[in-house]
Parts: sequence; structure tokens; C-alpha cells
Amino acid sequence: DGGITQSPKYLFRKEGQNVTLSCEQNLNHDAMYWYRQDPGQGLRLIYYSQIVNDFQKGDIAEGYSVSREKKESFPLTVTSAQKNPTAFYLCASRQIGTLSPLHFGNGTRLTVT
Amino acid sequence: RKEVEQDPGPFNVPEGATVAFNCTYSNSASQSFFWYRQDCRKEPKLLMSVYSSGNEDGRFTAQLNRASQYISLLIRDSKLSDSATYLCVVNGNAGGTSYGKLTFGQGTILTVHP
Repeated sequence: DGGITQSPKYLFRKEGQNVTLSCEQNLNHDAMYWYRQDPGQGLRLIYYSQIVNDFQKGDIAEGYSVSREKKESFPLTVTSAQKNPTAFYLCASRQIGTLSPLHFGNGTRLTVT
Repeated sequence: RKEVEQDPGPFNVPEGATVAFNCTYSNSASQSFFWYRQDCRKEPKLLMSVYSSGNEDGRFTAQLNRASQYISLLIRDSKLSDSATYLCVVNGNAGGTSYGKLTFGQGTILTVHP
């Protein structure tokens, strides 16, 4: 089955540690996205990539880093510089095109204490 | 002005009611519009794309008003299972560097009660 896999589902870290969230897709989509959602809030865009080896900052990129070395993979690193990292992180992908919607993974809930 | 804005609600309606949500966007060059549904603690799922001429899928109707820069979602004959958060999504400039950027509204909470 084609889809997007995020792992792990739940992640716990101590403050000051970097942590990398995995996102893999087998939909052959060109574009991939990372969003963050806080309780009672909408989704805010962290980074997105429309092609391998290229990515753009979203609205809240500070404290995060990404890479896009392969079409299928778009890992997100939450660095110690991110002041409030505890959140629900959602990865998505889409084919490039005006009417192509986003397809989401199941998300990773990160808790930093 | 926010790029994409929704009335957060909550909307509380009885079963069978008709309810409508609006979503305004600031970028007049936006080309892609979608409505998503999100259940509690789950990922958003595509409800419907919004086409220029408007489109319908069963009890759901989506419309686009380019002149006033908003999209709308109408739900007829509400069911208990329609209770969820509804999110609108808009893309950036067509052909510009932000073309691939898809921005969500903050979501509108709908509760349908018996």
C-alpha cells in the first residue's frame, strides 16, 4: 500500500537534546512538508521541499533543520535551539500541481521535559 | 492580516442542521484550495478540493469567491459523525517561489448533537 510513514508515534526527550523525526513516502510525490500542531491550534508550516536537495523555510523554521537527500525521505531535526519543542509533528507529501492535495502521515507526538 | 483565516467557532448544531464555514485568504494569486477534516489527535484527512466553479460531494458543497478572497464549506443534513475540526488550506503564488507553500487556517470546530 502506498502511503507516508512517520516514526516513532510517540517520542520523549530531555531538554537540550537534538531529536530527528523520520518521514518516508512511497507515493512517488515530489513535494514533502513538515507541520507542527499545538493543542487547539491549526497546523503551522516548518519546512517544505519540492525537489531533492532543495527545501524552503516555512513560517516557523527557527530551531529546526531538514534534509532531502532522497525523494522518499524528508527527516526533521528538532534542535536544542527550539524553545518549545513539545508538539504534534505532521509530515505530508503531494504531487506538484495546482489541484494536488496533501497526504499526511499519522504524526509524531514529541514531548520534551 | 493572516495569510489564511477561519472562524474558530465552536459551532454547535443539532443533527439535520445546515452549517457553513468561511475561510479568507490574503494572497490574491493563490490557485489551490482544499478543505480538510481532522478528528481529535489524528492527522488531517482531505475532505474536498475547491474548484473555481464550486463543487459538491454528497452533503458537502465547496465554493470559491476570488473577488472577496474566501472559500466556503457548506454541510447539509449534519450527522453526529460530522463532529470534527475543519481546516482550510491555501497555496502561495502560482509560479512564484512560494507556489509550493500550503498554509492552513487555524481550524473551525464543529460539534453536532442529537
